[in-house]
Amino acid sequence: NAGVTQTPKFQVLKTGQSMTLQCAQDMNHNSMYWYRQDPGMGLRLIYYSASEGTTDKGEVPNGYNVSRLNKREFSLRLESAAPSQTSVYFCASSERVRETQYFGPGTRLLVL
Amino acid sequence: EDQVTQSPEALRLQEGESSSLNCSYTVSGLRGLFWYRQDPGKGPEFLFTLYSAGEEKEKERLKATLTKKESFLHITAPKPEDSATYLCAVQARAGGTSYGKLTFGQGTILTVHP
Repeated sequence: NAGVTQTPKFQVLKTGQSMTLQCAQDMNHNSMYWYRQDPGMGLRLIYYSASEGTTDKGEVPNGYNVSRLNKREFSLRLESAAPSQTSVYFCASSERVRETQYFGPGTRLLVL
Repeated sequence: EDQVTQSPEALRLQEGESSSLNCSYTVSGLRGLFWYRQDPGKGPEFLFTLYSAGEEKEKERLKATLTKKESFLHITAPKPEDSATYLCAVQARAGGTSYGKLTFGQGTILTVHP
């Protein structure tokens, strides 16, 4: 099993450009999450999906949208990228909400 | 608001020199405390979950313990391959709008020299 996979691994955007970060899991988990990790800030939850068909905001949702495409896939979209969105983005999944979360390898995003 | 503070920020050890990492937390009813290991350029890797004060869990050279206010990650006779950032996170007990959110500390960067 690959676990949680994320694409792309690295991306450079110009301010105002849009992009979608992709995440997929093969563990048959119900819940999926998007975090961002910034120096000195720790990991912060952007959005989560408790189960297929549902999505909810986390701590820092502004500037992002998400889509739970099916049970396996959860994407994060930046409609108009800003330099403040330069970060490392991690996707995670868990069997159910409040169970152990397993993380993907991350996407490093640089917005110029 | 849930808070997690890890100390020290960085720790340098010689191979074989045992030590402990601290995770202090405040949470509105603890459901679980999680330890993760993160290698440079990688995602966090799950190590342990602790649910109640007095609980201990071990894995190879690592032992995690939990009290009502803090958790310790004890590293016995560390090796260079134990070098990583160790992250602590808490999850509040169910109720209200709880949704399994993890509140992370900023991590402790551990370097073990041969």
